Parts: sequence; C-alpha cells; structure tokens
Amino acid sequence: NAGVMQNPRHLVRRRGQEARLRCSPMKGHSHVYWYRQLPEEGLKFMVYLQKENIIDESGMPKERFSAEFPKEGPSILRIQQVVRGDSAAYFCASSPPEGRETQYFGPGTRLLVL
Amino acid sequence: EDQVTQSPEALRLQEGESSSLNCSYTVSGLRGLFWYRQDPGKGPEFLFTLYSAGEEKEKERLKATLTKKESFLHITAPKPEDSATYLCAVPPNAGNNRKLIWGLGTSLAVNP
Repeated sequence: NAGVMQNPRHLVRRRGQEARLRCSPMKGHSHVYWYRQLPEEGLKFMVYLQKENIIDESGMPKERFSAEFPKEGPSILRIQQVVRGDSAAYFCASSPPEGRETQYFGPGTRLLVL
Repeated sequence: EDQVTQSPEALRLQEGESSSLNCSYTVSGLRGLFWYRQDPGKGPEFLFTLYSAGEEKEKERLKATLTKKESFLHITAPKPEDSATYLCAVPPNAGNNRKLIWGLGTSLAVNP
C-alpha cells in the first residue's frame, strides 16, 4: 500500500517564476492537507481539500498561492511569482474520508527560490 | 490563541537512558492530541493519537500519556535509531478539527 507521494522532491526556481507541487494521497484517502515547514517556525497549516472542494484555506497567503484537488489526478499547490521567502519544505498529508482525523504525511518538496 | 509548547527543545541521551518529552497545550476543549516522529529530510511519521485524559498508548519503546493540559512521550531504554525530532499537534479549540496546530518539536539524539 503506497504512502503519500509528492513530487518533485526538490525544486529550484528563480524569483518571479511559478512553482507547482504535486501530491498523490494514500489509496482510499479523499482528504488532503498542505503544510509549510520552516526551521524556526515549525509546521504551519495551509489548506485542507477534498475532491473538487476547498474546505479550509485559512492558512494560505491571500496572494500568489492556490491549491486544487481535482476529481482525477493529484492535488496541486501552485505558487505564482515566487519570492525568496517562499523557500521552505512543503508537506502534503492525507486522511481517510471517515473515522478519526489521523493525517499521514508524504516526504515533502523542498523549494528553493534563488 | 491556541498554542502547543514542547520541551525540552533538544535532548541528548545515552543508549538505554530513559526519559520523557513534554507537550503542553492551551486548547480548552481537546479534540485529540497527535504525536509524530520526523527524521531529517523526511515527512512526519504518525505515532499516536490520544483523546481523553488518562489515556495511554504504547509502541515498542515509546509510551504516550495524556492529562488535561499536557502529554508526555516516555522513551524507555532508547536506542540510537530513536534519534529524531518528535512533534505533537492538536486541533484548534473551535472550527475545523483537521487544521492541526504544531509544536516546534523536541530534537532527540541517542548516543551509542
């Protein structure tokens, strides 16, 4: 049973470019979460999605960031016009549709903005 | 504001030397407390969920306990492979209970 998959594992972008981070949840999981991790700040919630719906995006910056989880395919976290402050590790987690809320994490994407 | 505080920030143990990590939270109506382990360069790995005061969960050398205001992760006779950062998280007091609030973690190093 494959775990949560994220790609790419490492991504380098220049300021002003776009970054697209992909996440495939565990089989049978329909809830996806995105978190950002910085060394001094710890893990910060960004967004919670179900298939074709954004449930809670209260942790997402209002500009340049967007997320989707289409009916088919992986969830995408998109960062437009990246700035150096966007450099961080971005983690995706998934959980099953019913029962308790345990979230299972992927290996993360390390974004470096030059 | 809902907060999660972990202590100590870092802990160095000799192999076999038992100890405890602390996670305290300010959330008044606890809707679960989660412990994870994170190795360098990897994503958090789920360990335990606790829901009510007095609850305990065990896995190999780890035991998690919960009171009304804090949780402890007890490590008995640790081995070098237990070296990692241990994170705890709770849902907020109100609203979306899947939006976890995280502590900064305890970085554990176990020397052989």
